[in-house]
Amino acid sequence: KQEVTQIPAALSVPEGENLVLNCSFTDSAIYNLQWFRQDPGKGLTSLLLIQSSQREQTSGRLNASLDKSSGRSTLYIAASQPGDSATYLCAVWRNNDMRFGAGTRLTVKP
Amino acid sequence: NAGVTQTPKFQVLKTGQSMTLQCAQDMNHEYMSWYRQDPGMGLRLIHYSVGAGITDQGEVPNGYNVSRSTTEDFPLRLLSAAPSQTSVYFCASSPYRVADTQYFGPGTRLTVL
Repeated sequence: KQEVTQIPAALSVPEGENLVLNCSFTDSAIYNLQWFRQDPGKGLTSLLLIQSSQREQTSGRLNASLDKSSGRSTLYIAASQPGDSATYLCAVWRNNDMRFGAGTRLTVKP
Repeated sequence: NAGVTQTPKFQVLKTGQSMTLQCAQDMNHEYMSWYRQDPGMGLRLIHYSVGAGITDQGEVPNGYNVSRSTTEDFPLRLLSAAPSQTSVYFCASSPYRVADTQYFGPGTRLTVL
């Protein structure tokens, strides 16, 4: 059974800092991995999608990497801003089933 | 495009009552799915559909039914609500089941007393 773990569960940083969020999964036979952002009381917004054949994806200040063999992905946020405060979730996709981590709650202080 | 819409936003039920959570998308996506999100846990897949007339179970299907009579709509039915079904429910869709970004609705917060 696929299990997805995100560490840390919560993170607080000052504005301007670069930071890394971690995601690990137990079964490396995945089709893709996706990072989402969730604001309080809201739905999920897709940030980055990495196909199983890819190593990384970039969008603006965000960079996500994927190492299937070790079952790990990282989300790098450069020059963090208060508007980045949210919960970040990773999810892995296989056989019509998407498994989510519990998320990392990020707070960026002005 | 309205994207993925869900109704209602909030609902309170008594144990044993039944209800239907509505989900619709206007992007002509083939794949649609339902998740529940509980505190401290990730989203868990309840049911999914890869096209009109085709549905299948996810990780936590017990107590829920789905049908997919059109590409646009994918309602989730609670047959006999239980307090354990208190949760936030999200509907999602994507163009194709495997390789595409999933788009999520805003969620329905359900409380079962």
